[in-house]
Amino acid sequence: SQTIHQWPATLVQPVGSPLSLECTVEGTSNPNLYWYRQAAGRGLQLLFYSVGIGQISSEVPQNLSASRPQDRQFILSSKKLLLSDSGFYLCAQTRPTGLEAFFGQGTRLTVV
Amino acid sequence: GNSVTQMEGPVTLSEEAFLTINCTYTATGYPSLFWYVQYPGEGLQLLLKATKADDKGSNKGFEATYRKETTSFHLEKGSVQVSDSAVYFCALVLSGNTPLVFGKGTRLSVIA
Repeated sequence: SQTIHQWPATLVQPVGSPLSLECTVEGTSNPNLYWYRQAAGRGLQLLFYSVGIGQISSEVPQNLSASRPQDRQFILSSKKLLLSDSGFYLCAQTRPTGLEAFFGQGTRLTVV
Repeated sequence: GNSVTQMEGPVTLSEEAFLTINCTYTATGYPSLFWYVQYPGEGLQLLLKATKADDKGSNKGFEATYRKETTSFHLEKGSVQVSDSAVYFCALVLSGNTPLVFGKGTRLSVIA
């Protein structure tokens, strides 16, 4: 079975501070990995996706970046957080031969 | 482009009422369709799916039928429970290496 670990579960950061959210997956080799953001009362916004190590596609230009240093590790970063970066961040994976996505439990980020 | 449109929420129902959440899609090819559920403070869980026209996905009393002629995938349940209170997302995907496209979500509240 596929398991996705996200941490931390909650995070409060001041404006202008850096950010690093980590996502690791188990049970699948060469997964496709995704970062989504869910703002309060809104739907899911795809931020980045990756089909392999070092391969990152960005969907929305903003002050966030993503990296995939290992096959099962996906990191979301920012050098300087903005208030508008607050939200619920979800990591997801799909198997290379599958279609449905499996999600982690999410990280709630509050920028103050 | 590809998109998913869901009925606006919130939807409030009494226990044992009939539920319908409408979902329509626009796609450049032949998508697979999904319903995901998000309980408070958690990630998304796959509820059901359908991969071709006229397929019916079902799980936990929920059903949805892939209607190609109306480009729809409406979610239904005959008798809702308080424990069904959550946000429901309709989604589509065109192929294994492309991200899922989500609707904005519909919040369901079931009162006893």
